[in-house]
Amino acid sequence: NAGVTQTPKFQVLKTGQSMTLQCAQDMNHEYMSWYRQDPGMGLRLIHYSVGAGITDQGEVPNGYNVSRSTTEDFPLRLLSAAPSQTSVYFCASSRRILGAYNSPLHFGNGTRLTVT
Amino acid sequence: DAKTTQPNSMESNEEEPVHLPCNHSTISGTDYIHWYRQLPSQGPEYVIHGLTSNVNNRMASLAIAEDRKSSTLILHRATLRDAAVYYCILRDANGNKLVFGAGTILRVKS
Repeated sequence: NAGVTQTPKFQVLKTGQSMTLQCAQDMNHEYMSWYRQDPGMGLRLIHYSVGAGITDQGEVPNGYNVSRSTTEDFPLRLLSAAPSQTSVYFCASSRRILGAYNSPLHFGNGTRLTVT
Repeated sequence: DAKTTQPNSMESNEEEPVHLPCNHSTISGTDYIHWYRQLPSQGPEYVIHGLTSNVNNRMASLAIAEDRKSSTLILHRATLRDAAVYYCILRDANGNKLVFGAGTILRVKS
């Protein structure tokens, strides 16, 4: 298994540009999520999904959109990039056990985004 | 989700045991205690999790207080590769909004 794959690894955008960060997992995990990590800080939840067609907001959703059309993919869209969105973005997934989402999270290696 | 409190940083000597504490006084009965660590320039990786009983795996042990208001991650013999940020988080039965705090920076001295 490849696990959680994030692309691209690095990206530089100009203010106002749009882009999509890709996240794919091959573990058939129902739960997927996006976090951002600013320098020296912990992770903050942006959006999450508990299955195909179902998404919800996390702590810091403004400026980001998500969709979940398949179990495998959970792309994160920046519609109009701002310098405040300069960060490292991590995608994570987990499977469902016995009806509860208490299984471990599997993280990707991150996308380092710079907005100038 | 309930919050956790961890020390900002800890230091250990190589080959010695390390006990990383975590307080979670508002934990509910269905919250699982998860530990993750993040090596420099990498994504977080799962270490261990538990509900009520102490847990062991190849990476570490998790000791959970009887009242479940605190827990301790135990690395039995620290190595330089264990230097990382360690996060203690709670995940409830819904488990949707996992909140990561700042974590504990573990420094290992040779």
